[in-house]
Amino acid sequence: DTEVTQTPKHLVMGMTNKKSLKCEQHMGHRAMYWYKQKAKKPPELMFVYSYEKLSINESVPSRFSPECPNSSLLNLHLHALQPEDSALYLCASSQVRRETQYFGPGTRLLVL
Amino acid sequence: AQSVTQPDIHITVSEGASLELRCNYSYGATPYLFWYVQSPGQGLQLLLKYFSGDTLVQGIKGFEAEFKRSQSSFNLRKPSVHWSDAAEYFCAVGIHGGATNKLIFGTGTLLAVQP
Repeated sequence: DTEVTQTPKHLVMGMTNKKSLKCEQHMGHRAMYWYKQKAKKPPELMFVYSYEKLSINESVPSRFSPECPNSSLLNLHLHALQPEDSALYLCASSQVRRETQYFGPGTRLLVL
Repeated sequence: AQSVTQPDIHITVSEGASLELRCNYSYGATPYLFWYVQSPGQGLQLLLKYFSGDTLVQGIKGFEAEFKRSQSSFNLRKPSVHWSDAAEYFCAVGIHGGATNKLIFGTGTLLAVQP
């Protein structure tokens, strides 16, 4: 099973709202990733967690706050977003070191 | 610096025709190379990967890719395209170091299939 699940599928939020995106995998992977993808562009890496510790933050604004409560779950907390943050947010997981990343279906976020 | 180039932004082929999508990379060490496919509004699905060994790699859905070190290329091929292959295709190189690896994506090639 190479499935990564993400909820919700779609999310509309105002600029003053607080919301969270959720990602889950049961493949025993110990590395998890958040990507942002704008229309007609490749995914851009935001955060990497390795063994539940944040290992890479690609200079993402603080209005995005990641959390990895356990080895199967990855959250992305959103607060005071801007309209330009509207995008497809993808989660991925992999074994640690040199392994293939498996992607979830994404959450389509619209910020009004 | 590491980079991936997909020279073709958009390609249209007829159903049943052969397909080749180009990918060139820049990376100082032996690369880990991937091809992913993305249907509209969906996540990325792994088509195939190259880590080492045989330079001709078979993937899912009848796709294959050939690693050519001398040309820094990893082109994706399919002998006969089906209408369901219409999607965006991303080539990526895996940057490995320490406990994590990063993917550097090309800009993608949008494939259209005409009847």
